[in-house]
Amino acid sequence: EIVLTQSPATLSLSPGERATLSCRASQSVHSAYLAWYQQKAGQAPRLLIYDASSRATGIPDRFSGSGSGTDFTLTIRRVEPEDFAVYYCQQSGSLFSFGQGTKLEVK
Amino acid sequence: QVQLVQSGAEVQKPGASVRVSCKASGYPFNSFYIHWVRQAPGQGLDWMGVINPSGPRTTYAQKFQGRVSMTWDTSTSTVHMELSSLTSEDTAVYYCARSPAVALDYWGQGTLVTVSS
Repeated sequence: EIVLTQSPATLSLSPGERATLSCRASQSVHSAYLAWYQQKAGQAPRLLIYDASSRATGIPDRFSGSGSGTDFTLTIRRVEPEDFAVYYCQQSGSLFSFGQGTKLEVK
Repeated sequence: QVQLVQSGAEVQKPGASVRVSCKASGYPFNSFYIHWVRQAPGQGLDWMGVINPSGPRTTYAQKFQGRVSMTWDTSTSTVHMELSSLTSEDTAVYYCARSPAVALDYWGQGTLVTVSS
């Protein structure tokens, strides 16, 4: 089983700042099998990034993904007010699993 | 447009079973896998398993093996997830989600299952 560990657990930023979220896998994951989701309170998760770096349909270009092997990153170039939410990484290289989430909150 | 519409909230007693349905529309039903993911109150996302509607194939997460069953009805484009031997730890929102390949691109609205005596 591949375990995904996200850091930090909570990230406190002001609108306009850059957000960097990390996802580390317990074993190597092919980049094609790494995705990121955004979840707002009371809503279902929304796919942001797949194949580690490809934006899903309708996702603004301020969101970007990168990484390979065991280390992956989600970057929000300039955080907008609507971006404050919880973010999850997910792998599908060995069945499916999710990280525990990073909460992006207003500073 | 693609939609996954789930059945309504359930309240079940410990030891009982629950069945949650997910009706797909707006795309060829047999062409995409359907996953089930749950989220306990205040917690993260927990993958339960996947079903391939185009063939008799399911894969379940080890922690749910023996307690979960996923089936599909092609005539109604509906996938069902049944979880048995419920305990209070199964209280959660259950989501179905579509997978074209390796990510989950459309999600249902979620179904709250409450296990309480």
